Amino acid sequence: QSALTQPASVSGSPGQSITISCTGTSSDVGTYNLVSWYQQHPGKAPKLMIYEGSKRPSGVSNRFSGSKSGNTASLTISGLQAEDEADYYCCSYAGSSTYVFGTGTKVTVL
Amino acid sequence: QVQLVESGGGVVQPGRSLRLSCAASGFSFSSYGMHWVRQAPGKGLEWVAVIWFDGSSKYYADSVKGRFTISRDNSKNTLYLQMNSLRAEDTAVYYCARATKLGATPIDYWGQGTLVTVSS
Repeated sequence: QSALTQPASVSGSPGQSITISCTGTSSDVGTYNLVSWYQQHPGKAPKLMIYEGSKRPSGVSNRFSGSKSGNTASLTISGLQAEDEADYYCCSYAGSSTYVFGTGTKVTVL
Repeated sequence: QVQLVESGGGVVQPGRSLRLSCAASGFSFSSYGMHWVRQAPGKGLEWVAVIWFDGSSKYYADSVKGRFTISRDNSKNTLYLQMNSLRAEDTAVYYCARATKLGATPIDYWGQGTLVTVSS
């Protein structure tokens, strides 16, 4: 499968809100409500931030929220903080027990 | 707490084989599906393979199908990835990751990764 499409970079000032898009197809994002979002700081392992499109794991700040419309999923970070600066990846179930990741987005806090 | 520790990475020549291991602790390993995901240097994440809680079902990305084999030993709480016919494009950090449930469900926890370099 082809990787899901994310913007290469998104930036915002502290306290602002930003949204990262994740565009797939009717074979993945559009059909299944199984989009996850992961945060990855340099040299570190990814961390789950959102699962099943809009659910937050215990311990993840409520400043992170997820949504989906058609073939596009989105991650919104509100009240942007310096510690949010990282790479973010979406991941969708793609059928037949396979998964596909997004191209990744670098978030910069100005 | 959930801990996943990968090992077995290193430098290997093209065409050769390598086996990665992932030691799991802090949860009931035999009750969860497990994934392998890789990340080439400076690149994004790529899903590689998943195995069901009991090893009965395994699925692979097209890029590794026929060359890589995922397996597990629930008596040792260990996940494996046997990599054969390695290519330069297989160079990456390989992450072991836990599925949320016993089948091919999404990933919730990740290990720290082990680097595989395929080079002559």
